[in-house]
This record gives sequence, C-alpha cells and structure tokens, in this order.
Amino acid sequence: DTGVSQDPRHKITKRGQNVTFRCDPISEHNRLYWYRQTLGQGPEFLTYFQNEAQLEKSRLLSDRFSAERPKGSFSTLEIQRTEQGDSAMYLCASSSEDTMNTEAFFGQGTRLTVV
Amino acid sequence: AQTVTQSQPEMSVQEAETVTLSCTYDTSENNYYLFWYKQPPSRQMILVIRQEAYKQQNATENRFSVNFQKAAKSFSLKISDSQLGDTAMYFCAFPYTGNQFYFGTGTSLTVIP
Repeated sequence: DTGVSQDPRHKITKRGQNVTFRCDPISEHNRLYWYRQTLGQGPEFLTYFQNEAQLEKSRLLSDRFSAERPKGSFSTLEIQRTEQGDSAMYLCASSSEDTMNTEAFFGQGTRLTVV
Repeated sequence: AQTVTQSQPEMSVQEAETVTLSCTYDTSENNYYLFWYKQPPSRQMILVIRQEAYKQQNATENRFSVNFQKAAKSFSLKISDSQLGDTAMYFCAFPYTGNQFYFGTGTSLTVIP
C-alpha cells in the first residue's frame, strides 16, 4: 500500500457542472476525512467517515456537496452545480485511530478549477 | 472554540542555519496532541512532529524539535541544519474531537542555498 491516493489530480469544469472526486485510503484505516484548502489557507475540515458511516459534517459542506463511503473503503466527494467559489484543493486523509492519538495520512489532493 | 494561529506567512533561512516557526492555539481541552505538518510544493502533506500535551518534555525528531509551552498555548517548530528539501508550507494542527484537525494558515519556508 503506497498511501492515500486521490483521483483525479486536477479537474477543470464549467460553472454549473457536477464533479466527483475519489479517494482511496490506506487499506487498514477505518477513518477517512475530507478537507478543502484554498490558496493561502490551511486545510478546512469538510467531513469524516468511520468505516461506511458519515459521522461528522462541517457547515462548509453545503447541500451541493455529498460524500459517500459505501463499503468502508474508498470514498467519493461530489459537488453539484459547481460555483467559482468551489475552486480549491480537495484533500483526503485517513487514519487508523482518532486524530487525538495518531497522525492522519494525506493524499496529494484534487485541484478543482471552476471556470 | 478551538483556534490555531500562525503569524509568519513567509520565512526564509540559509541552508545549514536554524529557523523557528511559531504557532499559538486556543483550547479548553486538557489532554491533546499538537502536530506540525509539512506540505512540499505539489506534494502531499506529511507529518513532521507530534507533541503530547501531558508530556513536559519537548518532542524531537532528528533535525526537528518543538518548544511547547502549555500555559502559554504556544507550539513552535525549530528546524536545525536547514536543508533545501525543507522548503515547503508548514502547518500547525490541533486535533479537535479526535475526528478533525484545525489547521493554521501556514508558514511558507524557503531554504536558500
């Protein structure tokens, strides 16, 4: 296992289109996180899964955003009706325990540009 | 509310010199960890060092060490013998509820040859 992988690495889309990103966590990690990072800012928490259950969602996650982790392995993040303000780097991370006790491993991210 | 503040947007250091990146945080928790993550250009974020709040001894990982002042809620990162590969964004991070991190805005460090 080479770590957390995200696909695609880059996505350019027109405003109003839907996009979907995929994250494959480290295989033995039951916890998966999505973050959004805009230029000049640190990552901001979006949502968290433990196995297939989505246990926390940030207020940043508007109704246009939905995330799934159907079998407790890979996860998808979908953005519907994209807006220019959605342009950002979307980071996925995974961990084996809660982040109070252990590090989270991050993927390289998907950079979304909405034109 | 938990907050993490990094007051140095950009820093530079000569190769082989020492640099310190600052971080302050606010929390009402008593037992927690603090993390420094490194994000090289176009590469994934990786853990640099972790400090347990209930440990008085400052964490050290090779050339990286922290100065943790719990009462002052300060958590600075010292990089000794800076190398070109240390050029990156550095984020201070505080785990909240065990299910998410609060990140600072980052410090962009450039190591000058």
